[in-house]
Amino acid sequence: DSGVTQTPKHLITATGQRVTLRCSPRSGDLSVYWYQQSLDQGLQFLIQYYNGEERAKGNILERFSAQQFPDLHSELNLSSLELGDSALYFCASSPQGTGGHEQYFGPGTRLTVT
Amino acid sequence: EDQVTQSPEALRLQEGESSSLNCSYTVSGLRGLFWYRQDPGKGPEFLFTLYSAGEEKEKERLKATLTKKESFLHITAPKPEDSATYLCALYNQGGKLIFGQGTELSVKP
Repeated sequence: DSGVTQTPKHLITATGQRVTLRCSPRSGDLSVYWYQQSLDQGLQFLIQYYNGEERAKGNILERFSAQQFPDLHSELNLSSLELGDSALYFCASSPQGTGGHEQYFGPGTRLTVT
Repeated sequence: EDQVTQSPEALRLQEGESSSLNCSYTVSGLRGLFWYRQDPGKGPEFLFTLYSAGEEKEKERLKATLTKKESFLHITAPKPEDSATYLCALYNQGGKLIFGQGTELSVKP
């Protein structure tokens, strides 16, 4: 158990809908990272927040947004969902502001868009 | 463009049969090379970080090495519980962790 929690574990929704994924980092970690993992694309970095502020951005679609709250938990919002958004979404956390240190991954949220 | 390529895509070993996984990379400025282990349906689990060519790290039956162009994950006398997908990732100057596609390792008793 990494100490990172994610909810929900599974989510099934229809195209065009909007969903919110939630992540609680390990106690004391200030950075939260979001990743998308699909069979054809592998594990792709989406975005990083450090102590409430956006720190780094990857290949995150404009339909997706994230934020980190004062209690350090983070939410990833996915809107206007398409079939291709079906994937595993992982959250990771680390104590530092830079990603050049080990990141601890949560168990993931499996999103299925029908 | 910064890139990570892992080979082979899949590797089947008999218990006790040592082997190596390869991670080739191209990056404008390497700030760290990471190895993770991922079991099916679970999040990646951190194994090693290497920062400079010539660096080596060991953990139980695993040993990671780094050169200027590639990293190897050596598995000595593997056991069935070592079966998993092993992911290599590089941390670049843009502050992003870029993952390879992974090597799926299967160790048969």
